[in-house]
Amino acid sequence: GENVEQHPSTLSVQEGDSAVIKCTYSDSASNYFPWYKQELGKRPQLIIDIRSNVGEKKDQRIAVTLNKTAKHFSLHITETQPEDSAVYFCAANRGETSGSRLTFGEGTQLTVNP
Amino acid sequence: DAGITQSPRHKVTETGTPVTLRCHQTENHRYMYWYRQDPGHGLRLIHYSYGVKDTDKGEVSDGYSVSRSKTEDFLLTLESATSSQTSVYFCAISDSTNTEAFFGQGTRLTVV
Repeated sequence: GENVEQHPSTLSVQEGDSAVIKCTYSDSASNYFPWYKQELGKRPQLIIDIRSNVGEKKDQRIAVTLNKTAKHFSLHITETQPEDSAVYFCAANRGETSGSRLTFGEGTQLTVNP
Repeated sequence: DAGITQSPRHKVTETGTPVTLRCHQTENHRYMYWYRQDPGHGLRLIHYSYGVKDTDKGEVSDGYSVSRSKTEDFLLTLESATSSQTSVYFCAISDSTNTEAFFGQGTRLTVV
């Protein structure tokens, strides 16, 4: 089955700096790669996603890049703010023809220091 | 927020007892998932469903069973609860395999 590895497990940055979280996946059939943010005591919520037919997607301060050949994708947060502090999860999905399994990485605890 | 509700929100149970968690959705989404979340392990898939009566195992399915008799309800049963099943359980729904999965509020289960 799919295996998703996420690094680093913890990340501390100063407010205004950029943060980068990286994930690799094992199944070349995966074609959907979402990123979720989970604040303490709350449910995970989608912040951005990318499909395998594009290499990059941006939404304001957040961007995701995908390298299908190397089977890795990354989350980039620019101009970080204290409210960006949370746990971030990457995930990969193989798609309908292979059965739907959304497999998550182990998460990155991001701390933005004021 | 998407219409997804988990019940109960908190439960304490004794080792060896059966426990059923319920996930109810009002979105008519095809896919439903049960995950458990433990420190250091992220979100691990227990079981998922791709339609009424259509279910399959995830990566940590031992000791768990599921049922989906209606589109809107997905039940997770711990047949004989063990302390290792103490966790936070999240249900999620999605309408296809490459769109957003919406999560419920979570159920904190403690097995003593």
